Amino acid sequence: GENVEQHPSTLSVQEGDSAVIKCTYSDSASNYFPWYKQELGKGPQLIIDIRSNVGEKKDQRIAVTLNKTAKHFSLHITETQPEDSAVYFCAATRQAAGNKLTFGGGTRVLVKP
Amino acid sequence: EAGVAQSPRYKIIEKRQSVAFWCNPISGHATLYWYQQILGQGPKLLIQFQNNGVVDDSQLPKDRFSAERLKGVDSTLKIQPAKLEDSAVYLCASSQLTGTYNEQFFGPGTRLTVL
Repeated sequence: GENVEQHPSTLSVQEGDSAVIKCTYSDSASNYFPWYKQELGKGPQLIIDIRSNVGEKKDQRIAVTLNKTAKHFSLHITETQPEDSAVYFCAATRQAAGNKLTFGGGTRVLVKP
Repeated sequence: EAGVAQSPRYKIIEKRQSVAFWCNPISGHATLYWYQQILGQGPKLLIQFQNNGVVDDSQLPKDRFSAERLKGVDSTLKIQPAKLEDSAVYLCASSQLTGTYNEQFFGPGTRLTVL
């Protein structure tokens, strides 16, 4: 089955700096890669996703890149703000799996004001 | 639009006791998921329903865990008997369809502590 590795496990940045989280996946058939943000006491919330036919996607201050050859994808947050502090999860799936997601281990991001 | 509802939010039990969690998905969502999230880890899928049928329960410890989704709406997840290693947050999620990339919407979760 699919295996998703996520690094780093914790990340501390100064407000206004950029944050980068990296994930690798094992199943070359995976073709959909969402990113979730989880705040304390809440369930994960989708913030951005990318499909295998696209190399990069951007939404305001967040962007995701995908390298299918290397089987890795990354989340980039620019101009970080205190409200970006949360745990971020990457995930991967392939359509044949019926929308079953395999999650990475998570990255705890702390934005220091 | 109301989100995914779960109850209770917190539960503390002793090992070998039983516990049940309830989930009400977003109205109209045919697919419902139960995930287990151990502290410091990502969510792990336990079971997936399409309407009231099971799509995937390959990672559900069937000797102690059971789940049902009567009438294709609400769902309950039960643990009997509980073990210490069952301490985790149990997340319920729902989405409109399987076979496509529809977004999964998560509830707030139930935090279970087994003493």
